[in-house]
Formats: sequence, structure tokens, C-alpha cells
Amino acid sequence: DTGVSQNPRHKITKRGQNVTFRCDPISEHNRLYWYRQTLGQGPEFLTYFQNEAQLEKSRLLSDRFSAERPKGSFSTLEIQRTEQGDSAMYLCASSPDGSNYGYTFGSGTRLTVV
Amino acid sequence: AQKITQTQPGMFVQEKEAVTLDCTYDTSDPSYGLFWYKQPSSGEMIFLIYQGSYDQQNATEGRYSLNFQKARKSANLVISASQLGDSAMYFCAMRPEDYGQNFVFGPGTRLSVLP
Repeated sequence: DTGVSQNPRHKITKRGQNVTFRCDPISEHNRLYWYRQTLGQGPEFLTYFQNEAQLEKSRLLSDRFSAERPKGSFSTLEIQRTEQGDSAMYLCASSPDGSNYGYTFGSGTRLTVV
Repeated sequence: AQKITQTQPGMFVQEKEAVTLDCTYDTSDPSYGLFWYKQPSSGEMIFLIYQGSYDQQNATEGRYSLNFQKARKSANLVISASQLGDSAMYFCAMRPEDYGQNFVFGPGTRLSVLP
């Protein structure tokens, strides 16, 4: 296992289009997280899964955003009707149950909305 | 609500010297964890070091140490013997340990190591 994998690495889309990102966590990690990082800022929490259950969602996750983890393995984050303000790095991370230590992050998907 | 403050947008250090990156935090949670992450230009967040709020001793991991002063609510990262590969963004983060799983990150400090 080579860590948390995110695809695509970069995505350029026109305003109003839908985009979907994929995250493959470390296989034995039950927990999966999505964060958003805008330029010059630290990451901000979006949502969290324990296996296939979405347990927590930030108010940053508007109704245009939806995340799934259907089989408790990989996860997808979809943004509908993209806006320029959605331009950011979207980071995925995973951790095992009971971990008080840091997550393992992926390299992120950089979204540019033009 | 939790908040992380990193007052140094950018720092320079000479190769092989030590550098301290500042972090202060605010929380009403009785139990929490403090973390430092490194983000190189490639984008991934690399976990460096962890300090629990009830840990009596400061955490150390190789060249990284965390200067934890609970009364002052500070958790500064000390990097000894800086290397050119240490040039990156550094983020301080906090997570309550009693509930919730999400981190609160600070705005980051960009460290540049000079040859």
C-alpha cells in the first residue's frame, strides 16, 4: 500500500460544470476525511466517514457538495454547479480507529474554476 | 470553538541552524492533541509530531521537538540542524480528544532554508 491516493491531481473546469474527485485511503484505515485548502490558508474540515457512514459534515459543505463512501473503501467528492470560489486544493486523509496521532494525507486535487 | 494562531507568515534559517516556528492555540476543551504538519510544494501534508495536552514531557521526533507550554497555550515547533529539504509550509493543528475527529489548522508558516 503506497498511502492515500487522490485523482485527479489537477482539474480545470468551467463555472457551472460538475466535478468529481476520488480518494483511495490506506486499505486498513476505517476513517476517511475531506478537507479544503485555499491559497495561503490551512486546510479546513469538510466531512468525515467511519467506514461507509458519513458521521460529520462542516457547514462549509453546501448543498452543492456531496461525498460518498459506498463500500467503506474509496470515497468520492462531487461539486455541482461549480463556482469560482470553489477553486482550492481538496485534500483527503485516512486514519485507523482509535488513532490519537496524525492522519495520512493524500497529495490533493487542485481544482481551478474558470 | 478552537483557534490556532501562527504569527510568522515566513521564516528564513541558515542550513544547519535551529529554527523555532510559533504556534498558539485557544480552546475550552479539557483534553486535546496538538500536531505539526509539513506541506512541501508537492502538496501532501506530512505528519511531523504530536503532543497530548496531558503529556508531562515535550514530544520529540528526530530533529523535531515541540515546546509545549500549556499555561501559555503555546506549542512551538523546534527544528534542529535545518536541511535544505526542510523548506516548506508548516501547519500547527489541534484536535479535541474527547469527541469529534476533525482538525483545526493554523494559517501556516513558510520556512525557507538558505544554503
